[in-house]
Amino acid sequence: QKEVEQNSGPLSVPEGAIASLNCTYSDRGSQSFFWYRQYSGKSPELIMSIYSNGDKEDGRFTAQLNKASQYVSLLIRDSQPSDSATYLCAVGKGYGKLTFGQGTILTVHP
Amino acid sequence: DTGVSQDPRHKITKRGQNVTFRCDPISEHNRLYWYRQTLGQGPEFLTYFQNEAQLEKSRLLSDRFSAERPKGSFSTLEIQRTEQGDSAMYLCASSLAGQPSSYEQYFGPGTRLTVT
Repeated sequence: QKEVEQNSGPLSVPEGAIASLNCTYSDRGSQSFFWYRQYSGKSPELIMSIYSNGDKEDGRFTAQLNKASQYVSLLIRDSQPSDSATYLCAVGKGYGKLTFGQGTILTVHP
Repeated sequence: DTGVSQDPRHKITKRGQNVTFRCDPISEHNRLYWYRQTLGQGPEFLTYFQNEAQLEKSRLLSDRFSAERPKGSFSTLEIQRTEQGDSAMYLCASSLAGQPSSYEQYFGPGTRLTVT
């Protein structure tokens, strides 16, 4: 079992729709959870962080965390073509290393 | 506030040569991380420092890889006797331990290594 698992996609949604990205993790001791966006040929860009159960909203993005189910998700509302990218889920303990999933490719079509 | 910088951005080398990469973290950040990313995969942890101390090194990292952060500011990653399997994007990230949002790691633009 991989430590952090994501569906590789691609996930295709029409412009204006809600994109839903999911991630599961295996280490119950994980404390910090992140979503990074990565455009082709570029480095990962941090877009959301979440540390406690529930929802966290930032603009069009909502991160959801359920530690009992070991599940993290990212919702993107009113998806735009500029949201087309690979979305990486990352999980950490304290200030140490992050463990990444393989990423989900999102395509938003006009 | 400048972000994380890495140099060079691209490196092409022949198998067997040594290469060295540099990373300059965000100025007030005391933690510095190195990751490697291959096509279609997420970044894979290599090592990290708090100030000048190397706190963890991945067991996947062979003896050909060494990293330093001598004065607790910039860091270098050296790969000796490069192999074609070393071809990847080498990413550096930094964070500031001790603050509420300090688990967050911010990445530099990366160094793309091609071993021919």
